[in-house]
Amino acid sequence: QSVLTQPPSVSGAPGQRVTISCTGSSSNIGAGYDVHWYQQLPGTAPKLLIYGNSNRPSGVPDRFSGSKSGTSASLAITGLQAEDEADYYCQSYDSSLSGWGVFGGGTKLTVL
Amino acid sequence: QVQLQESGPGLVKPSQTLSLTCTVSGGSISSGSYYWSWIRQPAGKGLEWIGRIYTSGSTNYNPSLKSRVTISVDTSKNQFSLKLSSVTAADTAVYYCARGLYGDYDYGQDYWGQGTLVTVSS
Repeated sequence: QSVLTQPPSVSGAPGQRVTISCTGSSSNIGAGYDVHWYQQLPGTAPKLLIYGNSNRPSGVPDRFSGSKSGTSASLAITGLQAEDEADYYCQSYDSSLSGWGVFGGGTKLTVL
Repeated sequence: QVQLQESGPGLVKPSQTLSLTCTVSGGSISSGSYYWSWIRQPAGKGLEWIGRIYTSGSTNYNPSLKSRVTISVDTSKNQFSLKLSSVTAADTAVYYCARGLYGDYDYGQDYWGQGTLVTVSS
């Protein structure tokens, strides 16, 4: 049971827009901790996709965007491409015990 | 270009201590506003945050693992390490090391190692 809740899977056709939600609580996202998003392609290490709720590292296409509101965050992907098929994880911190890192359970994106 | 590389035994016996090292190249482990993390992923499952250490030596650990985990830094070797004691089969996973950046706020973990599979079995 992950501290942050994500849908297990989402799907969309090429060119479409999909969103992935990440729901937390008042001790993590709602406490003001930033949310980061990672993309994990099959057999590879995760890659930082979004940091600080809505910022893209250099090299990440602007098709990827993030937002945060209250105790939740979202990742949006527009103009879906075949190479976007991957697992996506949100990550934040929890203040319940010493500010430890927490991940969502991950969402498998399938491009139809 | 910063690179991280995990190393250590791929097989550990139950009840023993898992020890992994992450070697950082392309930059000094003790400079800048960085923290150094360990994250693991059981086969077919999601990511689990194990803990992190700041260059100051301050640490944060996952409460569910805290009693068994120690993360340390060796600046002379540009490495940081993970020790997980009293392992069981549930600790079998791919273990990743990663670099995190912080400043006015947390910038996330921007560089990751390729991961190393550790199997706990007799």
